[in-house]
Amino acid sequence: EPEVTQTPSHQVTQMGQEVILRCVPISNHLYFYWYRQILGQKVEFLVSFYNNEISEKSEIFDDQFSVERPDGSNFTLKIRSTKLEDSAMYFCASSERTGDHEQYFGPGTRLTVT
Amino acid sequence: SQQGEEDPQALSIQEGENATMNCSYKTSINNLQWYRQNSGRGLVHLILIRSNEREKHSGRLRVTLDTSKKSSSLLITASRAADTASYFCATGIIQGAQKLVFGQGTRLTINP
Repeated sequence: EPEVTQTPSHQVTQMGQEVILRCVPISNHLYFYWYRQILGQKVEFLVSFYNNEISEKSEIFDDQFSVERPDGSNFTLKIRSTKLEDSAMYFCASSERTGDHEQYFGPGTRLTVT
Repeated sequence: SQQGEEDPQALSIQEGENATMNCSYKTSINNLQWYRQNSGRGLVHLILIRSNEREKHSGRLRVTLDTSKKSSSLLITASRAADTASYFCATGIIQGAQKLVFGQGTRLTINP
């Protein structure tokens, strides 16, 4: 069964460093998303992406964040200068279409900023 | 309460019993999706119910949606130890591409 994959599973970085989190969505899906979950808190929407552009972003998704689909399979989230409060589990998700369709999530990347 | 609030926050039952978790929300939605998360792991999609549907079944799962009360429930029948996990409801709100708004989750423990 097709699934969303994410790499790495765990990333440790120092404050101020840039990180890139990678995702491979399900192959026939057209809509891509990033969410994050700070330990013990809710899963929060960051950004949605369709047709090579951002569809919607949350207040969390400031200028330090960017997303890209560099090729036909990968979808990346870049944090330019990490802060301690960026430590969280980051989930990538994809859906076949918008509207009433399931979003399938990857296993997540745990980002630890020290 | 905030969008997508689950109740109870924690539930502990004996294997074989049924588990019921509730979710309330505040705004209009297009759909509501339930997810399971094992400790520290990814989110597994369980079921989607659309705003014009009232009930949906999938195996041992039964989901109801009452849009007049802005609430949903997830029933797991004949629970198993492997059902131990956190369960989240997520409301689907379409503004361009659909974004999901998650609740805090219900931590379900099935005791053998």
